[in-house]
Amino acid sequence: KNQVEQSPQSLIILEGKNCTLQCNYTVSPFSNLRWYKQDTGRGPVSLTIMTFSENTKSNGRYTATLDADTKQSSLHITASQLSDSASYICVVSAGGSYIPTFGRGTSLIVHP
Amino acid sequence: NAGVMQNPRHLVRRRGQEARLRCSPMKGHSHVYWYRQLPEEGLKFMVYLQKENIIDESGMPKERFSAEFPKEGPSILRIQQVVRGDSAAYFCASSPETGSYNEQFFGPGTRLTVL
Repeated sequence: KNQVEQSPQSLIILEGKNCTLQCNYTVSPFSNLRWYKQDTGRGPVSLTIMTFSENTKSNGRYTATLDADTKQSSLHITASQLSDSASYICVVSAGGSYIPTFGRGTSLIVHP
Repeated sequence: NAGVMQNPRHLVRRRGQEARLRCSPMKGHSHVYWYRQLPEEGLKFMVYLQKENIIDESGMPKERFSAEFPKEGPSILRIQQVVRGDSAAYFCASSPETGSYNEQFFGPGTRLTVL
């Protein structure tokens, strides 16, 4: 059964600090992994996508890494801002499938 | 180019009533997906539609739930005789093509509350 586990479930940091969110998956055959940001009351928005051959991808202050051997990914946020407060969702797609598997998300709160 | 639109954004129904949720995909997108999100839970797939066709409804309850994506107009997710357990956020996503690599673009969601 395809599964995506994220940790921590929630995280509180001070503005300006860095943080790293984790994602472990058991999705086969692996096709790609996306990180989404979901603001409260809004739909998810894609931040990064990585395929099997990519091990890092950046989008501004967001950097995602992928270790396809250990089936782990991380999302690193640098110099956090108040607007980074949101839920971050790891989404993994299997080859040949149009329905991705969603993690439960990490709720990030950035305090001033 | 407007994004995926959903309406209403908030819907309150009493038990036993019908709920109709509408989704207009992005221009040029012919693939629509519906998801349900409970508090503290991940998004759960419900149904995948193309114009006038239901491709996969494996995630949608057999009773009381139905979906359509007509040739003209928005996609509709209908819930008949709603119960309290139907209270959730319902998200629609669209993509121009299907397949594991194609990004799904999400709407803002409809938050259904059943009293």
